[in-house]
Amino acid sequence: DGGITQSPKYLFRKEGQNVTLSCEQNLNHDAMYWYRQDPGQGLRLIYYSQIVNDFQKGDIAEGYSVSREKKESFPLTVTSAQKNPTAFYLCASSSSVATGPYGYTFGSGTRLTVV
Amino acid sequence: GESVGLHLPTLSVQEGDNSIINCAYSNSASDYFIWYKQESGKGPQFIIDIRSNMDKRQGQRVTVLLNKTVKHLSLQIAATQPGDSAVYFCAENIEGGSYIPTFGRGTSLIVHP
Repeated sequence: DGGITQSPKYLFRKEGQNVTLSCEQNLNHDAMYWYRQDPGQGLRLIYYSQIVNDFQKGDIAEGYSVSREKKESFPLTVTSAQKNPTAFYLCASSSSVATGPYGYTFGSGTRLTVV
Repeated sequence: GESVGLHLPTLSVQEGDNSIINCAYSNSASDYFIWYKQESGKGPQFIIDIRSNMDKRQGQRVTVLLNKTVKHLSLQIAATQPGDSAVYFCAENIEGGSYIPTFGRGTSLIVHP
């Protein structure tokens, strides 16, 4: 079955550590996205990538980094510069940015907690 | 800065009642809208969409209404069931370009058996 897989489902980070969240899709989608979801708030865009080896900052990119070396993979690193990283992180993909949210496939999320 | 501890608007209904969930969107240029359902600890799922050339669209047990004058969307769920309990949120988009959609913060629907 085609889909998008995020791992791990739960992640705990000590203060000052970098952690990397995995997102893999086998849908042959060109575009991939990372969103952050906090209680009582809508999804906020961290980074997105329209094509391999290219990515753009979203609304809240500070303290995060990404790479897009393969079409299937768009890992998100939460760096120690991100002061409030505890949140639910969602990855999504679509065939292209132009398809808009109708074409989004979401992963099941990673819940990151700072301990 | 970030806000923490915000509470989602909550709608509590009895099983079998009809539910109406509202969403105000911000961009008058938006021409495409989606409603999502998100169960706890899971990713959002597409429910229904509507384009700006329509005022109403019906699906199975769900209806979306669009009022462009006041930039308002509503999602109506008929005969609400316990399995409908989830967070519902809308997204707005401008089709055909490189616009990245904006997502609303959602409403928590609680269905009591």
